[in-house]
Order: sequence, then C-alpha cells, then structure tokens
Amino acid sequence: QVELQQSGPGLVKASQTLSLSCAISGDSVSGNSVTWNWIRQSPSRGLEWLGRTYYRSKWFYDYAVSVKSRITFDPDTSMNQFSLHLNSVTPEDTAIYYCVRVGPRGSGSFDIWGQGTMVTVSS
Amino acid sequence: DIQMTQSPSSLSASVGDRVTITCRASQSVSTYLNWYQQKPGKAPKLLIYAASSLQSGVPSRFSGSGSGTDFTLSISSLQPEDFATYFCHQSYSTPFTFGPGTKVHIK
Repeated sequence: QVELQQSGPGLVKASQTLSLSCAISGDSVSGNSVTWNWIRQSPSRGLEWLGRTYYRSKWFYDYAVSVKSRITFDPDTSMNQFSLHLNSVTPEDTAIYYCVRVGPRGSGSFDIWGQGTMVTVSS
Repeated sequence: DIQMTQSPSSLSASVGDRVTITCRASQSVSTYLNWYQQKPGKAPKLLIYAASSLQSGVPSRFSGSGSGTDFTLSISSLQPEDFATYFCHQSYSTPFTFGPGTKVHIK
C-alpha cells in the first residue's frame, strides 16, 4: 500500500527557511496519474492547501497565492520523495504540515496523508 | 477562491443516533466534494469522495449526497469510534479549500 513518511525539523527561527521532506513508498513521485500536495493545519487558518507538484511529461507546480512568493516544491525521482521549502517564515507559519497524495481516481480527493509534522516558528 | 461552510460547527450525539452534517460551497463544485474524518493527533482520513462514493475500508454507515453547492454527510448509527471532527473539501478548482469542520461530541 502507499505510505508517506515525513521528515524535517519541528522548530524554525523566524526569517529562516522551513524545509520538510516526504518519502513515498508504494507509488512513484513521477507517476502520471497522481499529484503530490502539501497542506497545513492551524487553529487560526484551519486546513490550508499550500500547493501541488505533478509530472505529465514535465514537472508542473501550483502554489497557493497566500504563500506563492515564498514557497517551492522539489520532487526528487532518485529518492522518490518531494520536499517543501518555505522561506522567510514568521510565527504565522506555525502549523502542522502534511504531505498528501491525490490518487488516480480522478475525483481530486486527498487519499493518502503523511503523519504530519508540527512546525513551530520562534520569533 | 471557493469558500466552504459547514453546519453545525459542533454537535452532541449518542451512540446509535443518526447524524447529519451539511457543507455548502460558495459556487458550484459539481460533485467534486470530499469528506474527511480527523481524530486528535492524527491526519485526516478520507471517508467519501466525489460527493457520494465510499472510500475503500470505510464502514457503510457513512454516506454522502449532494451536488452543486449543497452537500450532506450522514452517519446512520453513530459508533464510539465516530466521535471526531469532520471536514468537507472541494477539489473542483485551485486553490483547493476545506470547510472549518464539525466536531461530533459524545452526549
């Protein structure tokens, strides 16, 4: 079965870069019928979709407007994983971060979730 | 952006009760509407996709209905393990958005 394993620091200083990785087992980061997403959750913002990356003969990236100027996703086919990099963080970026798959079904539903990483931004 | 609302924000119910949660989209999302269950300290879990299709492994007491802007999640007979928070999510257009959640408490 498909599993996502997240890794990365739980504490980041303000103005620095938050980086998390998501290792995929049971599927391929370059699969042509899936997308790979990052979602965060906080009491103030609820569940917030940050963006996605996917491969359709080339890599595509869609980012939420709220973070577009600060975020990049980095798929790595050799490691079969994808990473999130969010720069210039502030305490408002404190949240639980999830990597999530949209499966091949075509409904756009988030069917596989990583375990979540609680990230605290210290001021 | 498509705004998602849910009602109620919380409810109290007893084991065996039928529970209904409503989700409304600010514009039509066709049937690109999904439901998730989240328990404390855990990631959300997909229950219903495409408005009414049951995710594999999810008990049949869960059902979904609706299209366009109005959707419903029903639990036919609430079980102890169903006390959790439920979210709807539209996958019609980016940015994908979620409802604020409905917390189901034990009465």
